[in-house]
Amino acid sequence: GAVVSQHPSRVICKSGTSVKIECRSLDFQATTMFWYRQFPKKSLMLMATSNEGSKATYEQGVEKDKFLINHASLTLSTLTVTSAHPEDSSFYICSARGLAGEQYFGPGTRLTVT
Amino acid sequence: LAKTTQPISMDSYEGQEVNITCSHNNIATNDYITWYQQFPSQGPRFIIQGYKTKVTNEVASLFIPADRKSSTLSLPRVSLSDTAVYYCLVVQNSGNTPLVFGKGTRLSVIA
Repeated sequence: GAVVSQHPSRVICKSGTSVKIECRSLDFQATTMFWYRQFPKKSLMLMATSNEGSKATYEQGVEKDKFLINHASLTLSTLTVTSAHPEDSSFYICSARGLAGEQYFGPGTRLTVT
Repeated sequence: LAKTTQPISMDSYEGQEVNITCSHNNIATNDYITWYQQFPSQGPRFIIQGYKTKVTNEVASLFIPADRKSSTLSLPRVSLSDTAVYYCLVVQNSGNTPLVFGKGTRLSVIA
């Protein structure tokens, strides 16, 4: 099946710094990618929809200036957590939509802000 | 999107068949049902998808009654490695709507 990768898999950063997470569709082109956040023992929460070549669409309550999303190519979307704080510590998961509409998920990125 | 309701948790012994039922009373005509599996600290993995009646693959079976207001994921002869959270999702057949996850069912398989 289709493969979606994320980098890094784990990152620890200091409060106030910014962190960039990459999401790549390795063997297919994805005009649409999605970003989710998941807290321990909770379900995935949709943060935003990333569209290639246009601005991302953010879910209610997600600050677009804090979670910057860029989808510059058909195989890469990036999520930048700006001025990270401990409450941003979470598991971030991306997914990419294939041509037939199916969604493939990445392995996730564990962010810890100290 | 139709809201889904699943049991929060289930326990099973190894070797048993596990059936997880999901309610989706407000499912629309063009919606289909998809199930995902998630292990700790990993992204969700697609298990099975169906529109009506029965679908079977190498991993599971999905039973959907005629009214489509519920569905049952059946895992034959579970093993310890099937311990995971299982999510039932109702997906629109058209458009680019993202997958919206409910709370899922935490399955614990015991030796």
